[in-house]
Amino acid sequence: QVQLQESGPGLVKPSQTLSLTCTVSGGSVSNSAYYWSWIRQPAGGGLEWIGRVHTSGDTKYIPSLKSRVTISLDTSKNQFSLRLSSVTAADTAVYYCARWFPGSHSRWFDPWGQGTLVTVSS
Amino acid sequence: DIQLTQSPSFLSASVGDRVTITCRASQGISSNLVWYQQKPGKAPELLIYAASTLQSGVPSRFSGSGSGTEFSLTISSLQPEDFATYSCQQLNDYPVTFGQGTRLEIK
Repeated sequence: QVQLQESGPGLVKPSQTLSLTCTVSGGSVSNSAYYWSWIRQPAGGGLEWIGRVHTSGDTKYIPSLKSRVTISLDTSKNQFSLRLSSVTAADTAVYYCARWFPGSHSRWFDPWGQGTLVTVSS
Repeated sequence: DIQLTQSPSFLSASVGDRVTITCRASQGISSNLVWYQQKPGKAPELLIYAASTLQSGVPSRFSGSGSGTEFSLTISSLQPEDFATYSCQQLNDYPVTFGQGTRLEIK
């Protein structure tokens, strides 16, 4: 079964770039049936979708972060990554990666990684 | 952006109770509505997709209904393991959005 695992620094300084990687096992990021997505959740808050990437290279981002975010695929390592530049304390959150099935009649995010807490602080 | 408003935000109930959570979309999203369950310190888990289709392995006491702008998640008889936070998500249009979540606690 497909499993996802986030990795990356848990502490990032303000104005720097947050970089996270999601490693996929039991499946391939090259599978054209899926998108690969990042979502975040501040402490005590709701879920916020950040963006997604497809093996074709196509990407989509939430408009509020579009100027600062890049999501990319590394098919050789079966991973996808998130880069968020110019971070502030407002970017402190648990970051999740997830597989997205964008079917015509059924769409869902599953599975999700366990999540990784990123704190923005000097 | 499509806004999803869940009600209530907090729900206190007892084992064996029947509970319903509502998710209202700011514009029509057909049946492109998903429900997740999230326990403290854990990732969300898929419960229901396409508004009413139960994910494999999810107990039949969970059910979903609705289309357009009004959706609901019902748990027919609460079990101890059901006390968690439930969130709806729309996958009809970009950007993908989530409801604010409904926290279900034991009375």
